[in-house]
Amino acid sequence: AQSVTQLGSHVSVSEGALVLLRCNYSSSVPPYLFWYVQYPNQGLQLLLKYTSAATLVKGINGFEAEFKKSETSFHLTKPSAHMSDAAEYFCAVSNTGRRALTFGSGTRLQVQP
Amino acid sequence: EPEVTQTPSHQVTQMGQEVILRCVPISNHLYFYWYRQILGQKVEFLVSFYNNEISEKSEIFDDQFSVERPDGSNFTLKIRSTKLEDSAMYFCASTTGTGRADTEAFFGQGTRLTVV
Repeated sequence: AQSVTQLGSHVSVSEGALVLLRCNYSSSVPPYLFWYVQYPNQGLQLLLKYTSAATLVKGINGFEAEFKKSETSFHLTKPSAHMSDAAEYFCAVSNTGRRALTFGSGTRLQVQP
Repeated sequence: EPEVTQTPSHQVTQMGQEVILRCVPISNHLYFYWYRQILGQKVEFLVSFYNNEISEKSEIFDDQFSVERPDGSNFTLKIRSTKLEDSAMYFCASTTGTGRADTEAFFGQGTRLTVV
C-alpha cells in the first residue's frame, strides 16, 4: 500500500521568498516520487521525479526536491518565488508493484507581489 | 511538443445517461490511464490500459465504467448510468512503453463532467 500526505492545502508567499511545499509518503517498497504542477485550465505537468538515483532532484522552473528516507519526505523547494509559480502542486508516489500514481491532496501556492 | 488531448473540455449530462469521454494519447505511448478528481478531493487513479486490455484498476472502477481503444489514436472512458457523484474532472494520461513505474506520465487538460 502507498499513500501521500501534503501538509497545507494553501501556501502563500511573497514574490522573491522561499517556497517550501511539504510532502510525506508511505510505501511498503522503495518508492518513486513525483511532483506535478497544474496551472489554471491546464493538465498536470511533471516538475521533477525521484527514481532512486540522487536524493536531491532538480526540476524545471528552478524547483528542486530532496528525498529523505528517514523522514519519509520529499519536500519541494524553490529559493525565490515568481508570480508565475502560482498554481496547484501535487506530490505523487508509485512503485514497482503499483505503476499507477497515488496523489496527495494538492497544495495551492499563492504568490503575493 | 506532443501532448495528450481530451474532448470535450466540459460535459453536462442528465443523471442516468451514458457519457463517453475521449482522449488522444501521445502517438508513440503504449500505456494509457484515466484519473479523476472530485472537486476539493485528491486526484484518484481509475484504470490503466496496455496492449488492448486493462492492466490495473482501482476499486472505483466498477461495472459502471469501461475503457476502449476503438482505433489507433483514441482512448475512451464510458460511464454508464451516470450518478451525481460521478461529477468530477477526469484526466487522461499516457506513458511510453517501458512499463516502468518511474516513467513520466503525460496528462491531458481534463474533462469536467457535471451530472445534473
